[in-house]
Amino acid sequence: NAGVTQTPKFQVLKTGQSMTLQCAQDMNHEYMSWYRQDPGMGLRLIHYSVGAGITDQGEVPNGYNVSRSTTEDFPLRLLSAAPSQTSVYFCASSRELLYGYTFGSGTRLTVV
Amino acid sequence: EDQVTQSPEALRLQEGESSSLNCSYTVSGLRGLFWYRQDPGKGPEFLFTLYSAGEEKEKERLKATLTKKESFLHITAPKPEDSATYLCAVQGSGGSYIPTFGRGTSLIVHP
Repeated sequence: NAGVTQTPKFQVLKTGQSMTLQCAQDMNHEYMSWYRQDPGMGLRLIHYSVGAGITDQGEVPNGYNVSRSTTEDFPLRLLSAAPSQTSVYFCASSRELLYGYTFGSGTRLTVV
Repeated sequence: EDQVTQSPEALRLQEGESSSLNCSYTVSGLRGLFWYRQDPGKGPEFLFTLYSAGEEKEKERLKATLTKKESFLHITAPKPEDSATYLCAVQGSGGSYIPTFGRGTSLIVHP
């Protein structure tokens, strides 16, 4: 049981490049979310999904896309990277609405 | 819009010195309040969910309590391994199904 797996752990991008942050969970959780964590800002919700085929925007969705074709996978796409997207990104999943979330170990992204 | 304010931002304790962390919240219809622990370089780790005022939960040296406006995380006789950032989150009945997080309290326990 691996929990929530995020790849890569570290990434450096040039401004304007695109990339996909991968997130997979093996717990058959319906709820999945992407957060970014910046110093002094706490965790901010980017996008979330309440099941396969269903996604919605969070607090800071601009510049990011998501899709949920399977229960297990919830990739986050950066369309055209900007320095303001330099952050640590966490993927999380939960079995039910009011259960605690299981977080991945994070992806540290630097955009230069 | 759900709001969560945690205080203090940082707390330094001596080993064995008990204290409390505060989480004040504004939410339309509280469904749940969550506490997480986050170690440096790692993702948050779930500790507790509290659902209604008056509820309490314990885990080792940690005890979480809930009122209609705030939650406290009491740390009794802390040890250096309790050093971490503690995050509070709330989920209300309006808006998204996803919790809103506070900025956290960074706790350092000195031996």
